[in-house]
Amino acid sequence: QKEVEQNSGPLSVPEGAIASLNCTYSDRGSQSFFWYRQYSGKSPELIMFIYSNGDKEDGRFTAQLNKASQYVSLLIRDSQPSDSATYLCAVNERGNQFYFGTGTSLTVIP
Amino acid sequence: EAGVAQSPRYKIIEKRQSVAFWCNPISGHATLYWYQQILGQGPKLLIQFQNNGVVDDSQLPKDRFSAERLKGVDSTLKIQPAKLEDSAVYLCASRDFGDGYTFGSGTRLTVV
Repeated sequence: QKEVEQNSGPLSVPEGAIASLNCTYSDRGSQSFFWYRQYSGKSPELIMFIYSNGDKEDGRFTAQLNKASQYVSLLIRDSQPSDSATYLCAVNERGNQFYFGTGTSLTVIP
Repeated sequence: EAGVAQSPRYKIIEKRQSVAFWCNPISGHATLYWYQQILGQGPKLLIQFQNNGVVDDSQLPKDRFSAERLKGVDSTLKIQPAKLEDSAVYLCASRDFGDGYTFGSGTRLTVV
């Protein structure tokens, strides 16, 4: 079983809609969770991180964490064409090791 | 603050040649990582340094890859000899305690 799993997509949503990206992880001892955005040919850039169960909002982005179910999600409200990218989930497991998922490709259709 | 600096941006070499990449992390970041990202995949950790010590190199192919961070600041990653399957983007990242990674722009390696 992979440490971090994401649906590879592609996920397509119309402009203005909510995009929902999901990630599951295997290590129950994982402590912190990160979402990165990666444009084609560019390096990943940090969008937000979450440590505690529940929701964390930052502008149009909301991260949701459910440790009991071992999943973390990212919601993008009012999706824009500029949000079209690959979204990587990263999990900080015990021992300070980071594992990345393979990423979900998102396309926002104007 | 200045970001993570990497060089070169691109490198094309023939198989069995050697190549080296350089990384200078964000000032004050004690933790430095090298990742390999093959096209269509997520980044895979090769090695993690804390200051000038190795924390995790379990996924580093040690028969051909080596890395060092002698003074606890900048780092080099070397591949010798290169194989076709080493074609990837090599990302360096640094981290301050409690924060996420900050990645450099990466080095795109093509082995022909």
